[in-house]
Amino acid sequence: DSGVTQTPKHLITATGQRVTLRCSPRSGDLSVYWYQQSLDQGLQFLIQYYNGEERAKGNILERFSAQQFPDLHSELNLSSLELGDSALYFCASSVDGVLNTEAFFGQGTRLTVV
Amino acid sequence: SQKIEQNSEALNIQEGKTATLTCNYTNYSPAYLQWYRQDPGRGPVFLLLIRENEKEKRKERLKVTFDTTLKQSLFHITASQPADSATYLCALHLNQAGTALIFGKGTTLSVSS
Repeated sequence: DSGVTQTPKHLITATGQRVTLRCSPRSGDLSVYWYQQSLDQGLQFLIQYYNGEERAKGNILERFSAQQFPDLHSELNLSSLELGDSALYFCASSVDGVLNTEAFFGQGTRLTVV
Repeated sequence: SQKIEQNSEALNIQEGKTATLTCNYTNYSPAYLQWYRQDPGRGPVFLLLIRENEKEKRKERLKVTFDTTLKQSLFHITASQPADSATYLCALHLNQAGTALIFGKGTTLSVSS
């Protein structure tokens, strides 16, 4: 158990809908990363937060947004969903998000858009 | 733009042999490089981190090398076992500020008995 909790584990929704994925980082970790992993793609970096503030942005679509709350949990909001958004979404946390600290991953949320 | 390439998508070896996986990167000079293991449907798990001034690092049957001149890291598993079968990912931070940890696509290792 990595200590990172993601909910829900599975989500099935229709095209055009909006969903929210939740991530609780390990106790004491200030940095949260979000990744998307499709069947034929590797882990695609979406966005990183550090202590409530956005720190880095990757290939995140405009239809997607995220935030990190004062209690350090994070949410990833996906809207106007398309079939191609079906993927595993992972959250990871690290102590401080700097170079020499490893990331701890949650078990992921499997999103299926039908 | 920065790019990470892992040499092959799949590697099949026999139990007891040494598996060697390659990670190449371009357009960047990372101070650290990390390796993770991912099993199907599960989140990646951290294995090893190596600094640019460390040529080699070991942990049990795992060994990682880091050649900043070649822009390459090698990941070795000695005396491989079927339980080592998984996808192995290399990762580095996108910039010196330590933000945006990005991953290669991974190499899927299959160890047969």
